[in-house]
Amino acid sequence: GAGVSQSPSNKVTEKGKDVELRCDPISGHTALYWYRQRLGQGLEFLIYFQGNSAPDKSGLPSDRFSAERTGESVSTLTIQRTQQEDSAVYLCASSLQGYTEAFFGQGTRLTVV
Amino acid sequence: AQSVTQLDSQVPVFEEAPVELRCNYSSSVSVYLFWYVQYPNQGLQLLLKYLSGSTLVKGINGFEAEFNKSQTSFHLRKPSVHISDTAEYFCAVSGGTGRRALTFGSGTRLQVQP
Repeated sequence: GAGVSQSPSNKVTEKGKDVELRCDPISGHTALYWYRQRLGQGLEFLIYFQGNSAPDKSGLPSDRFSAERTGESVSTLTIQRTQQEDSAVYLCASSLQGYTEAFFGQGTRLTVV
Repeated sequence: AQSVTQLDSQVPVFEEAPVELRCNYSSSVSVYLFWYVQYPNQGLQLLLKYLSGSTLVKGINGFEAEFNKSQTSFHLRKPSVHISDTAEYFCAVSGGTGRRALTFGSGTRLQVQP
C-alpha cells in the first residue's frame, strides 16, 4: 500500500477485555515497530520486528502485551485484560531496513473504560 | 544503550522569528539521527535525517539540523517560523548496539504566536 495502515482508528473497550490492534506496513519494508503514546507524552517503544529475526520485545510493559508478525506482512498487537493505564494511542511504523527512517501509521486510539 | 534528551518541553515563539529546538543523544557507537513532526491530531512525519556525510542536513518546510558529534547534539533550526509550524517535534536516534528500533525523545511543543 501507499502508507502504513492501522485499524481500527479508534477503540473503546471495557476494563478486563482483550483487544487486538492491526498494522499493515508498507510493502517491502522488512522492519516494523510498535510504539505507545500516552496523552501529551512522547513515544514509548514496545516491540520491533526485523525480517525473520527474533523480535525485540524489550519494551513490552507487561506479559499482558504481545505482538505477532507473519513474515514481512501484517502485525497484530494484542493487549489482554486491559487496564485503564493502557489507554493511549498505539502507533505502528515500518522501514525498509532496520536503522533507516520509519514511516508511521495514523495510530489506534485505545480508550479503556 | 542509546537515549535522547530534548531539553525543552515547550518553546513559544513569535511568527517570523528564528527558532532552535535542542536535542542531545547518548550512544557509544555511530548513530543515525532523525527529527519527526506531529501536527495536532495527526501521525508522525519525517522532517529530516542524518545518516552520514555533511553534518548540516536540510529537511522539509525550511527546517535544518546540524549533527555535532563532539557535543552529541542534533539541534533543529528554522530561520523564520510560521503559524503552521505549531506542532510537536520529536528527535530520534537509531543504530549502534542493542536495540535497533528508533529511540525517541520526549518531544518539544513548538507554539508559534502571531
